[in-house]
Amino acid sequence: KAGVTQTPRYLIKTRGQQVTLSCSPISGHRSVSWYQQTPGQGLQFLFEYFSETQRNKGNFPGRFSGRQFSNSRSEMNVSTLELGDSALYLCASSNGPANEQFFGPGTRLTVL
Amino acid sequence: GQQVMQIPQYQHVQEGEDFTTYCNSSTTLSNIQWYKQRPGGHPVFLIQLVKSGEVKKQKRLTFQFGEAKKNSSLHITATQTTDVGTYFCTLPGDSWGKLQFGAGTQVVVTP
Repeated sequence: KAGVTQTPRYLIKTRGQQVTLSCSPISGHRSVSWYQQTPGQGLQFLFEYFSETQRNKGNFPGRFSGRQFSNSRSEMNVSTLELGDSALYLCASSNGPANEQFFGPGTRLTVL
Repeated sequence: GQQVMQIPQYQHVQEGEDFTTYCNSSTTLSNIQWYKQRPGGHPVFLIQLVKSGEVKKQKRLTFQFGEAKKNSSLHITATQTTDVGTYFCTLPGDSWGKLQFGAGTQVVVTP
């Protein structure tokens, strides 16, 4: 079974630009979550999508958004990038309540 | 909201030694999960604990859930260089895919 895949793996942007990250969950997994990991704040929950609906959202500004498609693939978008958005963005999928989450390799975003 | 504290945040271990990392929650938990992230890698699921006082072993790793279901520990015996990484405990959120991560314990092993 293929794991969670994320594209691109690395990204360099400048302040003010926007970026779209993509995540393909494990086949059959309907829940896709996004996390931001930084040295200062650790791993923080961004949002979760389930059956194309945002089911939960973390404490991030509206510049962070996402969506999920009918095939469960998900994208997250960050608009008007700030230096502080530099981070590793991790996507995870799961197939049931209180089940383990399977993480992708992440997208390393650098904002200059 | 619920808060989670993991201690220590950093652990330097000599190969062959044992160590323990602790996770404490401000609220009673339905379950707790542990993940390991190798340097440059992504979190990988290790275990889930559900029952009060539960103890689970995975080779040299022993996981315990407190009687009050508010704390947990991970004990590693005879540490090896393959144990290097950051160990996170996570608290469940109000939906499948929402986990609250502790700050993690970064483990460095010297031969």
